[in-house]
Amino acid sequence: TQLLEQSPQFLSIQEGENLTVYCNSSSVFSSLQWYRQEPGEGPVLLVTVVTGGEVKKLKRLTFQFGDARKDSSLHITAAQPGDTGLYLCAGPALRGSWGKLQFGAGTQVVVTP
Amino acid sequence: GAVVSQHPSRVICKSGTSVKIECRSLDFQATTMFWYRQFPKKSLMLMATSNEGSKATYEQGVEKDKFLINHASLTLSTLTVTSAHPEDSSFYICSANRLAKSLYNEQFFGPGTRLTVL
Repeated sequence: TQLLEQSPQFLSIQEGENLTVYCNSSSVFSSLQWYRQEPGEGPVLLVTVVTGGEVKKLKRLTFQFGDARKDSSLHITAAQPGDTGLYLCAGPALRGSWGKLQFGAGTQVVVTP
Repeated sequence: GAVVSQHPSRVICKSGTSVKIECRSLDFQATTMFWYRQFPKKSLMLMATSNEGSKATYEQGVEKDKFLINHASLTLSTLTVTSAHPEDSSFYICSANRLAKSLYNEQFFGPGTRLTVL
């Protein structure tokens, strides 16, 4: 089983601060995705990283894929209350499970004004 | 593009009744849809993979007679919770792959359905 471990589980910060969420595995992934889910809503795809060492930016969000493609991180600069949500990393499940994703346990981020 | 809708968004029912939840891909075709269950402050738990024109594939521990899935077209999958009980109360979310464009298993999620069984 390829497990995706996210840390921390919970993060509470003040508006304007920076934060980093980690997604680690002992297995190599062909790609990893990050989703954000707000309360009472479905997850929304933020980014897909596919190349080892890749860095992608989405406004104040910076996503990195480890060189060995076993880990990824999400860094938010100058967090805002609108960044509050459950952040999930996900990767393709084992071969033979076309289309399936496995998810990390999630990181609940709360940004207070 | 890649919009997925779910209906209803919220349902309250009495114990013993059946509830049907619809999942539609609005602007793309999806040969595969997925049904998840989510408990408060927890990650997504995959229940089953819904394949157009064939039987759904259920994850271990999920009762297929309890959670009936039908994927009748390339844009519609339904989940029916049969003889619902209070322990079936949960947030149910569907997702879909975009046919021929999901190189990396990217899934697009519906807004979810909150089921409360009294």
